[in-house]
Amino acid sequence: QSVLTQPPSASGTPGQRVTISCSGSSSNIGSNTVNWYQQLPGTAPKLLIYRYNQRPSGVPDRFSGSKSGTSASLTISGFQSEDEADYYCAAWDDSLNGWVFGGGTKLTVL
Amino acid sequence: EVQLVESGGGLVQPGGSLRLSCAASGFSFSSYWMNWVRQAPGKGLEWVANIKEDESEKYYVASVKGRFTISRDNAKNSLYLQMNSLRAEDTAVYYCARSGYGIPFDYWGQGTLVTVSS
Repeated sequence: QSVLTQPPSASGTPGQRVTISCSGSSSNIGSNTVNWYQQLPGTAPKLLIYRYNQRPSGVPDRFSGSKSGTSASLTISGFQSEDEADYYCAAWDDSLNGWVFGGGTKLTVL
Repeated sequence: EVQLVESGGGLVQPGGSLRLSCAASGFSFSSYWMNWVRQAPGKGLEWVANIKEDESEKYYVASVKGRFTISRDNAKNSLYLQMNSLRAEDTAVYYCARSGYGIPFDYWGQGTLVTVSS
């Protein structure tokens, strides 16, 4: 059972807007920044979004993040087949004194 | 180019020990927090431990406290994870990951597989 809650799966058609949610609590998302990671099949995770909505160099601008209260969201505007991957949210937890991840969302093309 | 290369994984019996290493290059290793993150087969990511630039702060996930020890050698640009009293549930790919300035896990290694089984 992960501290941060994500839907286990999501899907979309090419060009569609897709959103993945991440629910936490006051000790993690409610008081710290949220970061998102993409893991393509058979590869190491890659930083996708940090500090809620900042993109590292090289990440397409169709990826964006947001936060409201103790929840966060990752949105892909204009979903592409190459975006099929597992997506994880992460935040520091002040009560646990450690990093916590969501359980991951497997995103597939319909 | 930032590179993180893990080594030291393998098959170990329950109760045994293993030491993982992560060789860093392409950045000023001594200026960054470093982490170990693991992923059990077919499962999600789990943060294991992290260490401050000068080793003055170390944090662990509850399930490994007292069994795992994170350390670093800034002169050798290397990160380590000493794992003792290993259990079947420690079986996972272990990733070394850097934490940039306010940016957690901004670079990852390719991982090393640890299998705990008799």
